Amino acid sequence: DAGVIQSPRHEVTEMGQEVTLRCKPISGHDYLFWYRQTMMRGLELLIYFNNNVPIDDSGMPEDRFSAKMPNASFSTLKIQPSEPRDSAVYFCASSPGVQAFFGQGTRLTVV
Amino acid sequence: DAKTTQPPSMDCAEGRAANLPCNHSTISGNEYVYWYRQIHSQGPQYIIHGLKNNETNEMASLIITEDRKSSTLILPHATLRDTAVYYCIVRVAVKGGANSKLTFGKGITLSVRP
Repeated sequence: DAGVIQSPRHEVTEMGQEVTLRCKPISGHDYLFWYRQTMMRGLELLIYFNNNVPIDDSGMPEDRFSAKMPNASFSTLKIQPSEPRDSAVYFCASSPGVQAFFGQGTRLTVV
Repeated sequence: DAKTTQPPSMDCAEGRAANLPCNHSTISGNEYVYWYRQIHSQGPQYIIHGLKNNETNEMASLIITEDRKSSTLILPHATLRDTAVYYCIVRVAVKGGANSKLTFGKGITLSVRP
């Protein structure tokens, strides 16, 4: 398996634009996590899904952020409208039960 | 999930054992201790986990005290590639070990020197 695949790896966008980050989990994993990492706040859990259903979205910072998992092989994290303070590395992880496997992350820069 | 406390940083010499401590004094009976690490610019990587018995795998050993209030991750022969941030996490076991929230703290930065 190729592991958790995130795209794009880097994204630069202007303030106010919509940004969509994508994640393909490892086949057969029924948990999916989205994280954001910054120097100031560290690694923050934004939301996680079990069997495509959102279980806990208490980490989503505000209504500008939304996440979906339309099927077991794909998830998106959308920011609309984006702001400079959203600049961070966004990680997706999937898990079959015990250990989580992380993607390489998407580095988002909002200018 | 219970909170963990780790020193901010430590270093060790290449080839020596690295012993990374973690305090989790409020851990509950159904919470496991997990360790992950994050090498610069990469996603975190699972290392090991345990409930109350000591555990060992190809990467590391995990020693959990009898009262479960603290643990130590041991890298038996540290290499330069082990330089990373190491996260100690306690996490509820749901339905025989399935997932619950996986929440990271600040971790401990291990620097392995030549």
